[in-house]
Amino acid sequence: DVKVTQSSRYLVKRTGEKVFLECVQDMDHENMFWYRQDPGLGLRLIYFSYDVKMKEKGDIPEGYSVSREKKERFSLILESASTNQTSMYLCASTEGGIYGNTIYFGEGSWLTVV
Amino acid sequence: QKEVEQDPGPLSVPEGAIVSLNCTYSNSAFQYFMWYRQYSRKGPELLMYTYSSGNKEDGRFTAQVDKSSKYISLFIRDSQPSDSATYLCAMKIIQGAQKLVFGQGTRLTINP
Repeated sequence: DVKVTQSSRYLVKRTGEKVFLECVQDMDHENMFWYRQDPGLGLRLIYFSYDVKMKEKGDIPEGYSVSREKKERFSLILESASTNQTSMYLCASTEGGIYGNTIYFGEGSWLTVV
Repeated sequence: QKEVEQDPGPLSVPEGAIVSLNCTYSNSAFQYFMWYRQYSRKGPELLMYTYSSGNKEDGRFTAQVDKSSKYISLFIRDSQPSDSATYLCAMKIIQGAQKLVFGQGTRLTINP
């Protein structure tokens, strides 16, 4: 089974702090994604990466950056956390190419910014 | 207008009922359709997927796609309390970007 692991499940951070959310997948998938999920807004794509050191902006990249130094690891960085970034963050991965049609999600990281 | 519209519910039905969950979409280029189930405080998990119009059945679950109407449905027969979850539809264009477009999710409760 594909496993996408988000190391931090629950975090509480202060406004202005730098926050790192880490994600690791064990299936050698090319593509990795970061979403946030909010009530009434559904899942929104923040960034995705289709290869090591490659990244593309999703629908809501403002206030976020990402890092993909190794194929299995994709990090989401909040440079200066703000209260409107309180949310559940979901990491996901898929195979590359036309076969990458099934997206596998991690368990989610619940971030509260106070 | 959102590319994918899904009634967020909540939807509450008695155990054993047939449940119908629906999404409409506006982009006729979507070719690949998925349903995800998400339990509380968990990540979504893939339930069913289909490429084409028509029905696809898997146990108590049936996914239906009507491309002419830009409408997809998920039916759950003999619903169980363990089916209580949020159900998200998702779709994508096969060729090109890997980005999926998700519906808002419908929160479903099956009452014993």
